[in-house]
Amino acid sequence: DGGITQSPKYLFRKEGQNVTLSCEQNLNHDAMYWYRQDPGQGLRLIYYSQIVNDFQKGDIAEGYSVSREKKESFPLTVTSAQKNPTAFYLCASIPTAQGFFNTQYFGPGTRLTVL
Amino acid sequence: KQEVTQIPAALSVPEGENLVLNCSFTDSAIYNLQWFRQDPGKGLTSLLLIQSSQREQTSGRLNASLDKSSGRSTLYIAASQPGDSATYLCATPSGTSYGKLTFGQGTILTVHP
Repeated sequence: DGGITQSPKYLFRKEGQNVTLSCEQNLNHDAMYWYRQDPGQGLRLIYYSQIVNDFQKGDIAEGYSVSREKKESFPLTVTSAQKNPTAFYLCASIPTAQGFFNTQYFGPGTRLTVL
Repeated sequence: KQEVTQIPAALSVPEGENLVLNCSFTDSAIYNLQWFRQDPGKGLTSLLLIQSSQREQTSGRLNASLDKSSGRSTLYIAASQPGDSATYLCATPSGTSYGKLTFGQGTILTVHP
């Protein structure tokens, strides 16, 4: 089955640690996105990539970094510079960033907790 | 900057009721308006996508309408069931990249037997 996988499902981080969240898709989609969701709030865009080897900052990129070396993979690193990283992180993809008729496909999410 | 607001924040109804969820947006120059469902601790599932040129979309018991001039969209759920209990989010693309979505805060729906 085609879809988006995220791992791990739960992640615990100590103060000062960098952690990496995995996102993999086998949908052959060009564009991928990382969102953050806080309790009782909608999703906010962290980073996005419209094509391999290219990515742009979203609305809340500070303290995060990404890479897009392969079409199917878009890992997110939460660095120690992110002061309030406890949240639910969602990865999404879309066939092409230029297709306004395309809806986004979402992964199951990773819940990150700072100890 | 586009802002998306959803009212109410939470809604509790008895099974069988018809209900309406509201979504408003500040910039009427949108490409489309999407409705998603999110179960607790899960990712989002797309329900309906309305193009800017359309006024409504239907899928089963769900009907979404779009009024760009007033900056509003509604999601109508007919004959609600306990399985409809979830958070419903609306979103619209920001800028020229259609995948960059601006989301509302969501409406938490509880349908009790």
